[in-house]
Amino acid sequence: DAGITQSPRHKVTETGTPVTLRCHQTENHRYMYWYRQDPGHGLRLIHYSYGVKDTDKGEVSDGYSVSRSKTEDFLLTLESATSSQTSVYFCAIKGQGPGNTIYFGEGSWLTVV
Amino acid sequence: AQRVTQPEKLLSVFKGAPVELKCNYSYSGSPELFWYVQYSRQRLQLLLRHISRESIKGFTADLNKGETSFHLKKPFAQEEDSAMYYCALLNAGGTSYGKLTFGQGTILTVHP
Repeated sequence: DAGITQSPRHKVTETGTPVTLRCHQTENHRYMYWYRQDPGHGLRLIHYSYGVKDTDKGEVSDGYSVSRSKTEDFLLTLESATSSQTSVYFCAIKGQGPGNTIYFGEGSWLTVV
Repeated sequence: AQRVTQPEKLLSVFKGAPVELKCNYSYSGSPELFWYVQYSRQRLQLLLRHISRESIKGFTADLNKGETSFHLKKPFAQEEDSAMYYCALLNAGGTSYGKLTFGQGTILTVHP
């Protein structure tokens, strides 16, 4: 499992409230990713990071922000949650260099009511 | 822009039949391509990557740069192969290095 954990694993929140999901790794990998998984859309990249304070947008970044103040943590924030952000969120990590295996977290189930 | 397309959302076969899950990509650089499998909304697990050219659980995949495809194949499907399969492309050079993009996924069902 490459020491990757997501928290919280399950959350129900109300529309308009801020939500932060945390991805924590213990392997000192450089690359970290946040995806959302929805039926019919597969896995869509929200944001990714290639180092401390270095982040870039994915294909569905609107409504989401991220921060990486230290190597081991990559935070995903929904500033004002909407029902369309109800989804399963997966974090992934990858080491630097070719051939490095990519590992996934167990997912965070978020419901916005 | 990098893009991965899996044209089949659903694929059904009978046990013992050959199976092919299609994956096409769009990318101008040198990609690394992967297949991941997901059982019952669990975490994704790596099945194959093109650089290792290995066979896992009887599955193989060959990168065809001319057709920009990376189809997943198995000669004899088993019931335990039923799962969601994702094709993924890693930007391995140039700008946006490290960006990892997935296709929409294909749900494979193997009937007894």
